[in-house]
Amino acid sequence: DIQMIQSPSTVSASVGDRVTITCRPSPAIFTWVAWYQQKPGKAPKLLIYKTSILQSGVPSSFSGSGSGTEFTLTISSLQPDDFATYYCQEYNGNSRTFGQGTTVDIK
Amino acid sequence: QVHLVQSGPEVKKPGASVKVSCETFGYTFTNFLINWVRQVPGQGLEWMGWINPYNGKTASAKKFQGRVTLTMERPANTVYMELRSLTSDDTAVYFCTKENYYPKGAFDIWGQGTVVTVSS
Repeated sequence: DIQMIQSPSTVSASVGDRVTITCRPSPAIFTWVAWYQQKPGKAPKLLIYKTSILQSGVPSSFSGSGSGTEFTLTISSLQPDDFATYYCQEYNGNSRTFGQGTTVDIK
Repeated sequence: QVHLVQSGPEVKKPGASVKVSCETFGYTFTNFLINWVRQVPGQGLEWMGWINPYNGKTASAKKFQGRVTLTMERPANTVYMELRSLTSDDTAVYFCTKENYYPKGAFDIWGQGTVVTVSS
């Protein structure tokens, strides 16, 4: 099975900061990586799919990149609504494995 | 409008089974896989498995193989997840979610979640 090693587990940041979250799949995979945002008590929300495609309605401050063994989610300028937990996910074969999650909290 | 509606909360005793339903609306049921994801309180998202409503084919995570059954009722546009031999470790919120492309996609639409509590 593919494992998705996500880091960091927590990031403390301020409004306006640039935030980067990384996922390292093992073994290496192609481009079928997605990113989700989840707030307490809510279902996750799709942000990015196929590594870099922005889901409709998601602010352009979110972007995704990567290939092979490293994929990243970048928030270019953190907004108050962005404080949440973020998950990466692979969907390359039959499995749909999530990373462990990264909580973005207020510094 | 595309949306998924799940059945209500469940309380079960250890050793019992639970069956959660997920009714789909607003799109062609057979066009996209439906997945099940769970979240234990305070923990991350855990993928359980998927069902292909076109042909009934299923796949599941190794952790749940032999204990989870995914089924569907095509005329009702509904899928079901049954989990057997419950323990307290299965206390969680269970989500159904639709993929955005076939044959593999990200999860663009989620159900509201079903709380399953396992307690003696």
